[in-house]
Amino acid sequence: EPEVTQTPSHQVTQMGQEVILRCVPISNHLYFYWYRQILGQKVEFLVSFYNNEISEKSEIFDDQFSVERPDGSNFTLKIRSTKLEDSAMYFCASSSGRNTYEQYFGPGTRLTVT
Amino acid sequence: QKEVEQNSGPLSVPEGAIASLNCTYSDRGSQSFFWYRQYSGKSPELIMFIYSNGDKEDGRFTAQLNKASQYVSLLIRDSQPSDSATYLCAVNVAGGTSYGKLTFGQGTILTVHP
Repeated sequence: EPEVTQTPSHQVTQMGQEVILRCVPISNHLYFYWYRQILGQKVEFLVSFYNNEISEKSEIFDDQFSVERPDGSNFTLKIRSTKLEDSAMYFCASSSGRNTYEQYFGPGTRLTVT
Repeated sequence: QKEVEQNSGPLSVPEGAIASLNCTYSDRGSQSFFWYRQYSGKSPELIMFIYSNGDKEDGRFTAQLNKASQYVSLLIRDSQPSDSATYLCAVNVAGGTSYGKLTFGQGTILTVHP
């Protein structure tokens, strides 16, 4: 069964450093998303992406964040200058967009900022 | 503020019993409703979605939606210890430039004891 994959599974970085989280969505899906989950808290929407552009973003997704689909398979989230409060699980999700936009999540990347 | 509310639990049921999980939402424009299962340290796994009033059954799971009351529920029949997890309710308001942004509740912890 097709699935969303994410790399790395765990990333440790120092405050102020740039990180890139990578995702390979399900191959025939057209809609891509990033969510994050701080330990013990709700899953929060960051951004949605369709047709090579951002379709919607949350207040969390400020100028420090960017997304890109550099080729036909990868979808990346970049954080330019990480802060301690960026420590969280980051989930990529994708959807075919049929009917209800049901989304399938990848296994996540645990980002730890020290 | 568009909210999705769940009883955080924990909900404890004996093996073989019916587990009933509830969720309310505030945005009347919500169109699709999802139940995800999340094991500790893992990503959300889609188990059911519903977008029409009434019941939808899939194996041991039944989702129920009442848009007038802004209420969605999940019933798990013949609960098994392997069903022990956090159950996340999520809603989206698709349409216009929104392509399925999900708003999550805080989750209900379910424990099924032998």
